Amino acid sequence: GENVEQHPSTLSVQEGDSAVIKCTYSDSASNYFPWYKQELGKGPQLIIDIRSNVGEKKDQRIAVTLNKTAKHFSLHITETQPEDSAVYFCAASIFSGGYNKLIFGAGTRLAVHP
Amino acid sequence: DAGVIQSPRHEVTEMGQEVTLRCKPISGHNSLFWYRQTMMRGLELLIYFNNNVPIDDSGMPEDRFSAKMPNASFSTLKIQPSEPRDSAVYFCASSFRGLAGEAGELFFGEGSRLTVL
Repeated sequence: GENVEQHPSTLSVQEGDSAVIKCTYSDSASNYFPWYKQELGKGPQLIIDIRSNVGEKKDQRIAVTLNKTAKHFSLHITETQPEDSAVYFCAASIFSGGYNKLIFGAGTRLAVHP
Repeated sequence: DAGVIQSPRHEVTEMGQEVTLRCKPISGHNSLFWYRQTMMRGLELLIYFNNNVPIDDSGMPEDRFSAKMPNASFSTLKIQPSEPRDSAVYFCASSFRGLAGEAGELFFGEGSRLTVL
C-alpha cells in the first residue's frame, strides 16, 4: 500500500529563518498532496496543497514543491514566526474503492524560537 | 458553520468498557473519515464513508472497533471491549467529494482523547 515518509521528525529554527520539511511517497498514481498544520489540542488544518499537474505552489510565506519523477514533495516556510510552531503533516492521496483517500506522514514538530 | 463537532472531548474508562465516540460533520459534506492519532503510529485512517456508506474499513484494527453513519449528519465509532492500547486521540473529518471521487480538503474536528486504564 501507499507509504508516506516525512523528515525531519523535529525541527528547531530561529525566528526569521526558513524551514523545510520533506516527504516521499511510494504510489506513483498519487495525484494530490496536501499539507496540514496541527496546533496543540486541535485537529489538523489544511494550509496548502498541490496537485500532480504543477510543480510548485506559493501562498504568502509558504510554498510547496513537487517532483513526481522522484516521488517527493516539500514544504517551505520563509520568515518563520513563533506562531508557525506546530506539528506539520504531509499527505498523499491513493485511489481505493472508487475514491481517493489520504495517507499521512508521521509529522514534523516545528519549533520557532524568538 | 460550526465545523466538525466531536464528543466527548475527553473520555477516561476502564479496560473492558464500551466506548462510543460521536461526530457531526459539516452540513453539505458527503464524506466522513475517522482517524486515530498516537505518538507511535501518527495519523491512521480507520474508516471512511461516502454518502453514509462505508467505503473502506481496512484501517479498523480489530473486530472490537465498529463505525456507523445512520444519516448524513451523524456518525459513531464504537470500541467494545476497550483495551489500554486503544488510548489515543480519535479525529473525525469531513469533506465534499465530487462525482469523480477526487480528494478535497479535509475538515477535522478537535478530536476525542480516549484513555483506557
